[in-house]
Amino acid sequence: SAVISQKPSRDICQRGTSLTIQCQVDSQVTMMFWYRQQPGQSLTLIATANQGSEATYESGFVIDKFPISRPNLTFSTLTVSNMSPEDSSIYLCSATQTPNYGYTFGSGTRLTVV
Amino acid sequence: TQLLEQSPQFLSIQEGENLTVYCNSSSVFSSLQWYRQEPGEGPVLLVTVVTGGEVKKLKRLTFQFGDARKDSSLHITAAQPGDTGLYLCAGVLAGGTSYGKLTFGQGTILTVHP
Repeated sequence: SAVISQKPSRDICQRGTSLTIQCQVDSQVTMMFWYRQQPGQSLTLIATANQGSEATYESGFVIDKFPISRPNLTFSTLTVSNMSPEDSSIYLCSATQTPNYGYTFGSGTRLTVV
Repeated sequence: TQLLEQSPQFLSIQEGENLTVYCNSSSVFSSLQWYRQEPGEGPVLLVTVVTGGEVKKLKRLTFQFGDARKDSSLHITAAQPGDTGLYLCAGVLAGGTSYGKLTFGQGTILTVHP
């Protein structure tokens, strides 16, 4: 299965600033996704990162707040814009070549906004 | 409304006990997947079940997919402290425009005491 490198692993940011999280997969994958997770809780899907086109966002998430890029089949970025303390969370990227056979996740980015 | 209802959300048991985690839905899934997550890491795939009625065993873990492909269970025999972690069920909905998106249950935090 694919291996995902996600960085940074953690960051503390000032409110009003932006942070870009990078996700690098060691092989070409069909699909990439971005999730948000509170510690000890389940994952919430933010968006599907589409290669060469605009990401598809879930209800409650918008492009202006969470712009996503996916320039090729192995790399994606998520930017958390104009951050507020409510954005403090763990952000994870995920990838799969065949959805029914499982997904690989990055180790997450723990973001604290102060 | 949660598409995948996972229960229990918390489980605290003694080493050597057995346990079962359930994942139920009114929707049909093309696959149901179980992940285990430890603090500071992303979820790691344990198993994928794709056929109604399917049973898979992974050492002391037994996974079952319901005949109608709407529910699944994870049974751990003789739990050990190393089994401690967050267990997540997740599914790929059958048909429609949701293919590829993984829907998660609420998660079960399992603590096994020595």
